[in-house]
Amino acid sequence: EAQVTQNPRYLITVTGKKLTVTCSQNMNHEYMSWYRQDPGLGLRQIYYSMNVEVTDKGDVPEGYKVSRKEKRNFPLILESPSPNQTSLYFCASSFSSGIGEQFFGPGTRLTVL
Amino acid sequence: AQSVTQLDSQVPVFEEAPVELRCNYSSSVSVYLFWYVQYPNQGLQLLLKYLSGSTLVKGINGFEAEFNKSQTSFHLRKPSVHISDTAEYFCAVSDSLAGGTSYGKLTFGQGTILTVHP
Repeated sequence: EAQVTQNPRYLITVTGKKLTVTCSQNMNHEYMSWYRQDPGLGLRQIYYSMNVEVTDKGDVPEGYKVSRKEKRNFPLILESPSPNQTSLYFCASSFSSGIGEQFFGPGTRLTVL
Repeated sequence: AQSVTQLDSQVPVFEEAPVELRCNYSSSVSVYLFWYVQYPNQGLQLLLKYLSGSTLVKGINGFEAEFNKSQTSFHLRKPSVHISDTAEYFCAVSDSLAGGTSYGKLTFGQGTILTVHP
């Protein structure tokens, strides 16, 4: 089944404790992206990747890191999480940027205490 | 940079009534437009998209949207809603000009919560 998977689905952590949210797609997509969803703000792009080893900042990159060593994986790293990073995070992928429909993962609900 | 405004944060309707969810975007030479739906506790699913051609676009679950370039709008409509349409709906826009700094970037509106009452 074609899908985007994220792990974990739910995470409660404390300020300053490094964490990684994994994202994997099995559709051989070139383009991958991370978003955060906050009430009343819609989805805002954190980082995106056009292909392996090619990543760039989105609208809200502060406090996040990403890497794209393999085509299928695009992990999101929070080196020192803070409470303002409490949010619902979505990973998405598409065949190409622009016109391609983006396929979304199920989301990761992160709470930083 | 693109911006998207969804004019209603919440839309309550009764079952079998028609509904329109409004979306306006900032002007650009050429854009691609999308509507996504998010059911409770799920990810986003594409409802429909406008890339080119006919300005009336039909999507899944009986939804349709009309691209109006002069008004920079892309309103979503359904003639008769069901309880199962209760969800949050997101309008999104992407610049279609390859080579531009924002090419491929999907900008979302704030979302509209559609609640269908029996």
